Amino acid sequence: QKEVEQNSGPLSVPEGAIASLNCTYSDRGSQSFFWYRQYSGKSPELIMFIYSNGDKEDGRFTAQLNKASQYVSLLIRDSQPSDSATYLCAAFLSGGYNKLIFGAGTRLAVHP
Amino acid sequence: GAVVSQHPSRVICKSGTSVKIECRSLDFQATTMFWYRQFPKKSLMLMATSNEGSKATYEQGVEKDKFLINHASLTLSTLTVTSAHPEDSSFYICSAREAVASPLHFGNGTRLTVT
Repeated sequence: QKEVEQNSGPLSVPEGAIASLNCTYSDRGSQSFFWYRQYSGKSPELIMFIYSNGDKEDGRFTAQLNKASQYVSLLIRDSQPSDSATYLCAAFLSGGYNKLIFGAGTRLAVHP
Repeated sequence: GAVVSQHPSRVICKSGTSVKIECRSLDFQATTMFWYRQFPKKSLMLMATSNEGSKATYEQGVEKDKFLINHASLTLSTLTVTSAHPEDSSFYICSAREAVASPLHFGNGTRLTVT
């Protein structure tokens, strides 16, 4: 069973702090990784994607990928209360499965 | 760009009836669309992969005769929940991508309640 694992949280951080969200995956052949944000009762929206080892920055968000450790992370700088949501890590399975598999999500709470 | 429209956003139906959900890619062509289901406080579970012009590929444990998928064109896929039961009540979300391995973009979801 190919899996994507995340801590469910909640992860509570004060406004202005850095929130660090982590994810591990079991399919060593996976090449594409995504972070989605989901507000309660809404569908997921894409935050970032990363394909290569290292860091990728986009505004307040930085995605980090370490394929050797099968580890993906998302850093949110200057966290705002509006960032409070569930963050879903996802990976495309390798081997022609043509599927995007999601972790259970980490709930982030940013308090003023 | 990459907008996916899903309709209806909310539906309540009686047990035993069928419900059709539409998913459209508005500004791109999608040869493949994906249908997910999400129960409260749970992650998204892939139900099936919808392929334009061919049969859908269902995940293990998903009944193909109960969840009928039709991908009639490059911009439209439909999911019909047949003979719905209360346990089918869930949040159904479709998604599509512009190219292989590119990010999935999600519709706004359909909240189905079967009474």
